[in-house]
Amino acid sequence: GQSLEQPSEVTAVEGAIVQINCTYQTSGFYGLSWYQQHDGGAPTFLSYNGLDGLEETGRFSSFLSRSDSYGYLLLQELQMKDSASYFCAVRGTDKLIFGTGTRLQVFP
Amino acid sequence: DAGVIQSPRHEVTEMGQEVTLRCKPISGHDYLFWYRQTMMRGLELLIYFNNNVPIDDSGMPEDRFSAKMPNASFSTLKIQPSEPRDSAVYFCASSLALSGRGQFFGPGTRLTVL
Repeated sequence: GQSLEQPSEVTAVEGAIVQINCTYQTSGFYGLSWYQQHDGGAPTFLSYNGLDGLEETGRFSSFLSRSDSYGYLLLQELQMKDSASYFCAVRGTDKLIFGTGTRLQVFP
Repeated sequence: DAGVIQSPRHEVTEMGQEVTLRCKPISGHDYLFWYRQTMMRGLELLIYFNNNVPIDDSGMPEDRFSAKMPNASFSTLKIQPSEPRDSAVYFCASSLALSGRGQFFGPGTRLTVL
């Protein structure tokens, strides 16, 4: 079967750094993506890793290790507006599969 | 570009009625996806199209659901007859490729079936 696992909830304070992990099991692998979704909003694309290593986009970074079937999203200098749900998504052989999401709560 | 456009934004209907959700993808995007999101089941892929052709509809819950894409700029998701368990937010998304390098989601349609 195909599955993605990520923590259901993470909490942190403003200015801190938080890491959201994602482990996957899929038939075929063509990349790991991350999406952010605020309450009442639509998912928005954050980052993509097709190869092993770190991708950096401003305060957000994403990492992939294909040999470990593992990736993470790193959020630095947390701000209140970062409170949202974060989804990892894996492109398998024929479709994109989304994880169940990690709800990040940032406290002042 | 205006992004992915969905209509209506909210729909309230009674059980047994037909519901039609509409989507206009971003111009030039070859892939169009329909998702359903609920608290219990999360974000589920229902069906996706490539160049207007349905590629994978394995996520469509049952025969009451159908989707069409008559041209590159328009798609519909129809539920007939609707049931209370169909209440959810339905998202349409489009992308240039299937790789996951950026699907762009519409604002969603919040469907409530009474």
